[in-house]
Amino acid sequence: DTGVSQNPRHKITKRGQNVTFRCDPISEHNRLYWYRQTLGQGPEFLTYFQNEAQLEKSRLLSDRFSAERPKGSFSTLEIQRTEQGDSAMYLCASSLVSVLAGANNEQFFGPGTRLTVL
Amino acid sequence: GNSVTQMEGPVTLSEEAFLTINCTYTATGYPSLFWHVQYPGEGLQLLLKATKADDKGSNKGFEATYRKETTSFHLEKGSVQVSDSAVYFCALSPYSSASKIIFGSGTRLSIRP
Repeated sequence: DTGVSQNPRHKITKRGQNVTFRCDPISEHNRLYWYRQTLGQGPEFLTYFQNEAQLEKSRLLSDRFSAERPKGSFSTLEIQRTEQGDSAMYLCASSLVSVLAGANNEQFFGPGTRLTVL
Repeated sequence: GNSVTQMEGPVTLSEEAFLTINCTYTATGYPSLFWHVQYPGEGLQLLLKATKADDKGSNKGFEATYRKETTSFHLEKGSVQVSDSAVYFCALSPYSSASKIIFGSGTRLSIRP
């Protein structure tokens, strides 16, 4: 399977603990995105990378959240000192943006990591 | 700013009924518009898209037309099937950044046999 993969698929943690999620994008894709989806809502944009550079961060991404893509391939999203309000599905997506593709930004989504903070 | 508003669900229809899910948007510039679908137990996937005014996106019998004058992108299907039961998200990607996707809150569709 050459789609976007995310690990773990489920994470249960206690309030105050740190958690880290991993996303492996489609191999040739240069952009990688993180979204958060709470129950009954649409995904909300958190941040995205072009190769290893983090180009945009939402104001939803508080100081407790940090994302990296050190070699321009996989990415990690860390949440420090988790709070119950962090409970959500964390989605990763990737896309290929090029001169030919232009603004046609088709993103391919992974299955998500469901975080439950007790 | 950029935002998407879609009709609230749940929507329940009988098999072979006609489907419309309304979607309107607010955007600066000329966004690309999308419908994504999330089937039970599966990840989010792109259903169809349109990148400029008057374009019609279509896939699996679903259609949506990019209407700039009414800032709408309504999803339609002439005859729904039980297998169409899912959550449908209208979304846009701002032209200026071609980066983030802004999603509506989703509409849950249930089809009765």
